[in-house]
Parts: sequence; structure tokens; C-alpha cells
Amino acid sequence: GAVVSQHPSRVICKSGTSVKIECRSLDFQATTMFWYRQFPKQSLMLMATSNEGSKATYEQGVEKDKFLINHASLTLSTLTVTSAHPEDSSFYICSARESRAYNEQFFGPGTRLTVL
Amino acid sequence: AQRVTQPEKLLSVFKGAPVELKCNYSYSGSPELFWYVQYSRQRLQLLLRHISRESIKGFTADLNKGETSFHLKKPFAQEEDSAMYYCALSAGSYNTDKLIFGTGTRLQVFP
Repeated sequence: GAVVSQHPSRVICKSGTSVKIECRSLDFQATTMFWYRQFPKQSLMLMATSNEGSKATYEQGVEKDKFLINHASLTLSTLTVTSAHPEDSSFYICSARESRAYNEQFFGPGTRLTVL
Repeated sequence: AQRVTQPEKLLSVFKGAPVELKCNYSYSGSPELFWYVQYSRQRLQLLLRHISRESIKGFTADLNKGETSFHLKKPFAQEEDSAMYYCALSAGSYNTDKLIFGTGTRLQVFP
């Protein structure tokens, strides 16, 4: 149980285009989802936290107009990288948590974004 | 400031040797600490959490509030333990607790 999927697993796009990444909790309802960014050989950096039905909370330094997060249902959150540029190339990972009472995050496999 | 420090980027040991992956944290509140593991080409997964006080795959970790540490230990390393290990601190308000990750330690266990 507690599986989180991400789609696509990798995407290559041209500079200036927008890319949408989906994160789904397959067998549980995720009240909270998290989006991380991981640079090569570096740790995970939290970008934003989203609770179902409310606006995402972005970490300091993360542009909310650049990285649009939607958590429309208890099983789906999307991250849209708008007007992507080469510096947005990275590994994006989502995680989902069922409840705060049992504070465990289940991670997706990640999405490799390459912006040409 | 909330921070997690893992001083070692790489730890190499031979099979059967004891392992200790260090983790220190900085947090003014009551900490909730985790160890996550990422095996090669796999997703990040929870290894253990301090409130469970259990041993997973032979690994244990004790929260030492005096030393603000949560070191991960295993008495006899196995080759399959080779992976990236991240220490994480849960911090924030009730509904938006976020994980603050350390920079990770790569454990290499040689045969």
C-alpha cells in the first residue's frame, strides 16, 4: 500500500514552454502533498506544500507564478512549470501524506525535466 | 533556524563492519526525526522514525536531545545496505508539517 506515482517520468521541452507534472496517491487519500526539487548529488529541497482544496504554501525563494501547484482532489496534485528555462532543469519529486496523525510522507519516483 | 546536518557525504565500510551515519539537528521545538533511504534507481522511502523506537533491517537510531543528534547505527553492515541515507526533521504547524532534509550520506558496503 501507500503508493505514489508521478507522470511523466521524464520530459524534455523547449525553452519558453510550460510543463505539467502529475502526482497521484494510488491507494490512499492524501490530505497534504509536497513538491521537492533535487539537483544532482544534492539533497531534496522543499518547494511547496499543498493541502487539498486550498492554496499551496511556497517556500522562501520559490516563485509561485513560475511553479503553479494545484491540489484539486485528495489523490491528485499537479505542478506546472510555466515558461520553462534551462535553469529549471532538475529532478522534481512529489510526496503525499495521508494524515498528520501518522506523519509519514510517501514519495513518488520523481520526474526528470530537461529544458533545452 | 531549523537545520539538519549530515557531516559525511560518503561512508565506506566492509561487509560485517559496524556503521554509524551521523545526523545533528537544530530545532527550537519538540523534534520529530526520520531516516529515509534511497536505493539505487529507487524512490525515497522511510527507514525509521524516532517515535517508533524500532529496528528496521538491523538499523536503529536514538534521539539524543542533549546532543541534538539522531545517528543511524547498524552493528554489522551488509552489501545490500549500500544506498543514500537522508536524515530528516519534521517541523512546522500541525497541518503543514514539512520535512527538512540533510544533505545525505552515501553508504558503500564492500564485500
